[in-house]
Amino acid sequence: DAGVIQSPRHEVTEMGQEVTLRCKPISGHNSLFWYRQTMMRGLELLIYFNNNVPIDDSGMPEDRFSAKMPNASFSTLKIQPSEPRDSAVYFCASSLPWAAGGENEQFFGPGTRLTVL
Amino acid sequence: AQSVTQPDIHITVSEGASLELRCNYSYGATPYLFWYVQSPGQGLQLLLKYFSGDTLVQGIKGFEAEFKRSQSSFNLRKPSVHWSDAAEYFCAVGAGNNDMRFGAGTRLTVKP
Repeated sequence: DAGVIQSPRHEVTEMGQEVTLRCKPISGHNSLFWYRQTMMRGLELLIYFNNNVPIDDSGMPEDRFSAKMPNASFSTLKIQPSEPRDSAVYFCASSLPWAAGGENEQFFGPGTRLTVL
Repeated sequence: AQSVTQPDIHITVSEGASLELRCNYSYGATPYLFWYVQSPGQGLQLLLKYFSGDTLVQGIKGFEAEFKRSQSSFNLRKPSVHWSDAAEYFCAVGAGNNDMRFGAGTRLTVKP
């Protein structure tokens, strides 16, 4: 299995531009998570989906952030408009359903390093 | 809600020395506990996990962790550290659903 795939790996953009981060979870995993990692705040859960449905988006910092999961094999995290304080590494993770014995073990992608100038 | 504390932000050990990274959790029921490692520029990789049973858990790369309910701890140990172990280590606690909370991480530096 290729693991969780994220693209792009690096993104540099200017303030005010729209940014779209992409994630392909591991096949068969139906829980998907978006995290943001910064030096100041550590690893923060932004949102997670079960069966393509957003379950908890309380970690999304503000309305500029939105996430979608149109199908079981693809999710996007969009920032519009972007700001310099959004600069961070964004991770996607996936896991098996809880009832299937996934027991919360999350498999992480390599991350997208976002720099907003 | 559950929470995790990793008291040590940064630890330095000499290669070949033993290692213990501390993790304390807060959760009212039986927790699901994890240790992840993050190498520079990489995502997080699971080292080991505890759900039930034997409180001493063996993981990959020679790591182990011990669950101590009385101390609300799940410390990570390795008897002899290798230079390749230099990384950031995260403890995490799950609550029996998809809500998992990570600690702030401990950065490990290994001296030659």
